[in-house]
Amino acid sequence: SQQGEEDPQALSIQEGENATMNCSYKTSINNLQWYRQNSGRGLVHLILIRSNEREKHSGRLRVTLDTSKKSSSLLITASRAADTASYFCATDENRDDKIIFGKGTRLHILP
Amino acid sequence: DTEVTQTPKHLVMGMTNKKSLKCEQHMGHRAMYWYKQKAKKPPELMFVYSYEKLSINESVPSRFSPECPNSSLLNLHLHALQPEDSALYLCASSPGSEETQYFGPGTRLLVL
Repeated sequence: SQQGEEDPQALSIQEGENATMNCSYKTSINNLQWYRQNSGRGLVHLILIRSNEREKHSGRLRVTLDTSKKSSSLLITASRAADTASYFCATDENRDDKIIFGKGTRLHILP
Repeated sequence: DTEVTQTPKHLVMGMTNKKSLKCEQHMGHRAMYWYKQKAKKPPELMFVYSYEKLSINESVPSRFSPECPNSSLLNLHLHALQPEDSALYLCASSPGSEETQYFGPGTRLLVL
């Protein structure tokens, strides 16, 4: 099945720095979502951006969407140790009752 | 109640055992999902129920059998599993299709 591709696969930054993760996908979408997963636990929804939106903010999170390039980015500002997790983008590319997850970016915040 | 619960948290079973995973949500969501996730991989969709009817089966082996007794409950019956079926099994629900999904904490399954 089609998936988004996150980039980078892994990212380590110092606490307080900003972290940027990218996601690319293959076909047209209605929306794109970002989820966070702490080690071995359930996923937590972070933000949903619709295809007619270009940017969305939620607290320290900023998501952009470029439908012409079929890509999205997630920016976490002023990172904290608690932000250490895997981050997945997910798209509704097939327009049925499912979303397709990308391979994820493992983010590690160094103290 | 804004959470999805899953039981058990952990499960160890032999290849001849029969067990069930349970998932519950009381948010009135009309879609419920089962995912399988291996370490360092994204969740892989297994089944989707929409209005208590199976709408998607992602070519999952018959040793996995889903059941949706009512709009709040989702079960996954397991029988004659293989060691490679060991994984984290995640349940999720959403108000409708293509919308935000709310995940449970998962059941970590080990098949011996």
